[in-house]
Amino acid sequence: RKEVEQDPGPFNVPEGATVAFNCTYSNSASQSFFWYRQDCRKEPKLLMSVYSSGNEDGRFTAQLNRASQYISLLIRDSKLSDSATYLCVVNTGGNYQLIWGAGTKLIIKP
Amino acid sequence: NAGVTQTPKFQVLKTGQSMTLQCAQDMNHEYMSWYRQDPGMGLRLIHYSVGAGITDQGEVPNGYNVSRSTTEDFPLRLLSAAPSQTSVYFCASSPRALETQYFGPGTRLLVL
Repeated sequence: RKEVEQDPGPFNVPEGATVAFNCTYSNSASQSFFWYRQDCRKEPKLLMSVYSSGNEDGRFTAQLNRASQYISLLIRDSKLSDSATYLCVVNTGGNYQLIWGAGTKLIIKP
Repeated sequence: NAGVTQTPKFQVLKTGQSMTLQCAQDMNHEYMSWYRQDPGMGLRLIHYSVGAGITDQGEVPNGYNVSRSTTEDFPLRLLSAAPSQTSVYFCASSPRALETQYFGPGTRLLVL
């Protein structure tokens, strides 16, 4: 089992819809979590950190479920500009390393 | 601030050639790292550095060397290029390990 797993998608979603995807992690000792966004042929950029109490930033909401070992990202009122690959990142607490998921591709259609 | 810069943007090598990928940051970040990104896989850590003069291996270090003589620069050297090293390489920095990573624009490398 991979340490961090994501559904690769693509998720094809009409503009204005709500979409959510999850990321599961295998190490129960994982300490912090992030969502990054990566546009086609560009570098990843931080979207948001995921706190134990959940985190909301405008149309984006990230939640952590430690019992089931997954984090989620919810995007409301999706825009064409939200089309990207969303990368889940987990700090497992060892050796200064972050473990990256392979990403979920999201395509917003007009 | 330029942030994190990488050169070159694109490179084609022949098997056995060596080259250095350059990375520099102007944010005075302690932590710098090199990743490779391959289709269908997450970013994989090649080498990292927690400060000038300190480097360590990541998940996939074989075939690569690094050095960190200054806070700003963290070059990645391919010793003898192999087709398996065809990938997109990203350099990243953060104030400290495990904090928000700031990435350079990437280097697309093709090894024939």
